[in-house]
Amino acid sequence: NAGVTQTPKFQVLKTGQSMTLQCAQDMNHNSMYWYRQDPGMGLRLIYYSASEGTTDKGEVPNGYNVSRLNKREFSLRLESAAPSQTSVYFCASSFGTGPGRGEQYFGPGTRLTVT
Amino acid sequence: GENVEQHPSTLSVQEGDSAVIKCTYSDSASNYFPWYKQELGKRPQLIIDIRSNVGEKKDQRIAVTLNKTAKHFSLHITETQPEDSAVYFCAASIVKAAGNKLTFGGGTRVLVKP
Repeated sequence: NAGVTQTPKFQVLKTGQSMTLQCAQDMNHNSMYWYRQDPGMGLRLIYYSASEGTTDKGEVPNGYNVSRLNKREFSLRLESAAPSQTSVYFCASSFGTGPGRGEQYFGPGTRLTVT
Repeated sequence: GENVEQHPSTLSVQEGDSAVIKCTYSDSASNYFPWYKQELGKRPQLIIDIRSNVGEKKDQRIAVTLNKTAKHFSLHITETQPEDSAVYFCAASIVKAAGNKLTFGGGTRVLVKP
């Protein structure tokens, strides 16, 4: 049981390049989330998927797109990377709603640098 | 949208003393308040959470209290140990069918001095 996994662990991009961050969970969770964490700051929600087949914007969605490929996988795409997108990206998952089911479990993160 | 403020931003305590971190939230509809611990270079890990129908919850040396009227909640760590040194984040959300959108506070860096 690997929990939440993310690839890659590290990535360096040049301004204008594109890339996709991958996330997968094996806990049969319904909901999945993408956050970014800038140095010395809290996490901010980029996009989330409440259930398979649905996605919605979070607090900072500009410059990103997402795909909920199936129940297990949720990817984040940067179409044209900018230095302001330099950050650590965390994927998380949860069952969704109901007592004891709101807890979010985080992946190990992807450290992205855009030069 | 929801806004969560967290204080203090840094906290230094002597081993064995208690540490208290406080958060306020803005949306009175929020009903779920988790606390995460993040060690350097690691992922956030849930340490305790509380729902709006409960005023206090305790798990060994960690406790969380919630005051819905004042819209604030606090994390209490007793008998601190060096391994408690980390960054702690509070968060708030409305748990509903359309997902659980957490809004995080800015974090508190806790240093426990031996």
